[in-house]
Amino acid sequence: GENVEQHPSTLSVQEGDSAVIKCTYSDSASNYFPWYKQELGKRPQLIIDIRSNVGEKKDQRIAVTLNKTAKHFSLHITETQPEDSAVYFCAPGEGYSTLTFGKGTMLLVSP
Amino acid sequence: GAVVSQHPSWVICKSGTSVKIECRSLDFQATTMFWYRQFPKQSLMLMATSNEGSKATYEQGVEKDKFLINHASLTLSTLTVTSAHPEDSSFYICSAGTLDLQDNEQFFGPGTRLTVL
Repeated sequence: GENVEQHPSTLSVQEGDSAVIKCTYSDSASNYFPWYKQELGKRPQLIIDIRSNVGEKKDQRIAVTLNKTAKHFSLHITETQPEDSAVYFCAPGEGYSTLTFGKGTMLLVSP
Repeated sequence: GAVVSQHPSWVICKSGTSVKIECRSLDFQATTMFWYRQFPKQSLMLMATSNEGSKATYEQGVEKDKFLINHASLTLSTLTVTSAHPEDSSFYICSAGTLDLQDNEQFFGPGTRLTVL
């Protein structure tokens, strides 16, 4: 099965700083690389995903980069805001139907 | 579009009773539905995957006789926790997927918080 590691487990930044969370995986067959944001007691929300035919994808302040050779992908958030505070999960999979969630990163953005 | 609902949003029950949780795809037909469990401050753990009209496929370590999953239609799946015990207290989240959308993804329900006394 897929082994997923996510680092760091906790990340504290000042508002306006950038935040980077890294996810490493083991299954070379994985071809779908999403990032989810989960606020306390709420459902996970897909914030960005990338498929293995591209190396980088950006959506406003959020970007994901993929290194398939090294089997890792990263979430980049620029100009962080307090409302970005949440737990972020990576969940690589072989297609959308076989997601394996990382242990999560708690991001704290201080005003 | 792609909205998934769950009912109830929270439930408290006595030890030994059974609890049924419903997961509905409101505006699309879900080819596959997934059930996850999330303990406090932990990640989502997949419990089982079900396709409409087929038996669910359970992950290793998940008791299929305790967690009964029914996926009788393309818009409804149910999870029944039988003879619930306090250790079953958790946040149960369903998600639904379909092959009909160009960029497939899992659409998550809002979750059901189960507390077993």
